[in-house]
Amino acid sequence: DSGVTQTPKHLITATGQRVTLRCSPRSGDLSVYWYQQSLDQGLQFLIQYYNGEERAKGNILERFSAQQFPDLHSELNLSSLELGDSALYFCASSKTGDSNQPQHFGDGTRLSIL
Amino acid sequence: GENVEQHPSTLSVQEGDSAVIKCTYSDSASNYFPWYKQELGKRPQLIIDIRSNVGEKKDQRIAVTLNKTAKHFSLHITETQPEDSAVYFCAASSASKIIFGSGTRLSIRP
Repeated sequence: DSGVTQTPKHLITATGQRVTLRCSPRSGDLSVYWYQQSLDQGLQFLIQYYNGEERAKGNILERFSAQQFPDLHSELNLSSLELGDSALYFCASSKTGDSNQPQHFGDGTRLSIL
Repeated sequence: GENVEQHPSTLSVQEGDSAVIKCTYSDSASNYFPWYKQELGKRPQLIIDIRSNVGEKKDQRIAVTLNKTAKHFSLHITETQPEDSAVYFCAASSASKIIFGSGTRLSIRP
């Protein structure tokens, strides 16, 4: 158990819909990272939040957005969903805002678009 | 832009033999190099990491080496076991960004 909690574990929805994925970081960690992993692909960095503020942005589509709340949990919002958005979405957390720290991953949310 | 190249993409070794996975990075500001192991359907797990002020680090059967001049770092697994079968990801990070390699699928043959 990494201490990072992601909900839901599975999500099935249709094209055009909007979903919200949730992540609670490990106790004491201030940064949250979001990654997308398509089938048999690598980890694509989407976005990082540190202590409530956006810290770094990767290959995140305009249809996607995220935020981190005062209790440090984070939500990733995906809208106007397309078939290609089907993937595993991982959240990871680390202690500080610097990227050169160990990251601890949650178990992921598997998103399936029908 | 910056990237991390990882080789090979697939690797099959006999149980008990050694496995080596290599990564090359381009961002000179990178100073932290973690390795993650991802078993099928599971989350990536940090197995070992190294910082740029160190050339080699070992943890039981796993070791990582870093050549800052050449911008290469490698993962070495000795005496491989069936439970080592997984996808391994390298990453190179600075304070402002982390970039992952594309992964190596390691299979251990009995």
